Amino acid sequence: QVQLQESGPGLVTPSGTLSLTCAVSGGSISNTNWWSWVRQPPGKGVEFIGEMHHNGRRNYNPSLTSRLTMSLDKSKNQFFLILNSVTAADTAVYYCATTSVSYSWNYWGPGTLVIVSS
Amino acid sequence: QSALTQPASVSGSPGQSITISCTGTSSDIGAYNYVSWYQHHPGKAPKLIIYDVTNRPSGVSNRFSGSKSGDSASLTISGLQSEDEAEYYCSSYGNRITYVFGTGTKVTVL
Repeated sequence: QVQLQESGPGLVTPSGTLSLTCAVSGGSISNTNWWSWVRQPPGKGVEFIGEMHHNGRRNYNPSLTSRLTMSLDKSKNQFFLILNSVTAADTAVYYCATTSVSYSWNYWGPGTLVIVSS
Repeated sequence: QSALTQPASVSGSPGQSITISCTGTSSDIGAYNYVSWYQHHPGKAPKLIIYDVTNRPSGVSNRFSGSKSGDSASLTISGLQSEDEAEYYCSSYGNRITYVFGTGTKVTVL
């Protein structure tokens, strides 16, 4: 059973960089196809951020592409999210997720709240 | 891509059936059979309950069922139970190789 755990600063200053790590256990990051990030701003709906394949392919939400970088470290079984030039609109609970079924996510981390504020 | 449209709230009495709609476009729901549904209790991770329009993951109750027609999809919960009270989101794969989520529906068990 794959388990995911997000980690990173809970507070980021405006115009700064949001960096999150997702630690994977119970499975290898090289075995499952796509590793994803999803977020939910307080009181709002869920938004797909992007996904990364273990072979290096990436698919980003077009609205975030210019500020977004995703990467992974197979040796550490972790994948990462970097979002630059953040604003208050980036305040959200961030989830990492993956799937063993097609075009959906059946494994999720518990989520981590990131607040963008000075 | 714009968010898929869901009703803000749906309610029903225990034992009843309810249906949540999810309206998209010809670029997402209408183009692919990759609609999924998630149950989200506050403070917890979302739980996949339907994938590929109609399929249930192992362990998900058969009280949950999904369907699709044109640019819209639906989730039906039959035999409504108190533990079904949660927020429900649809999602679809779409053009531009990305995903779009629904606006979310709060289900209340009366």
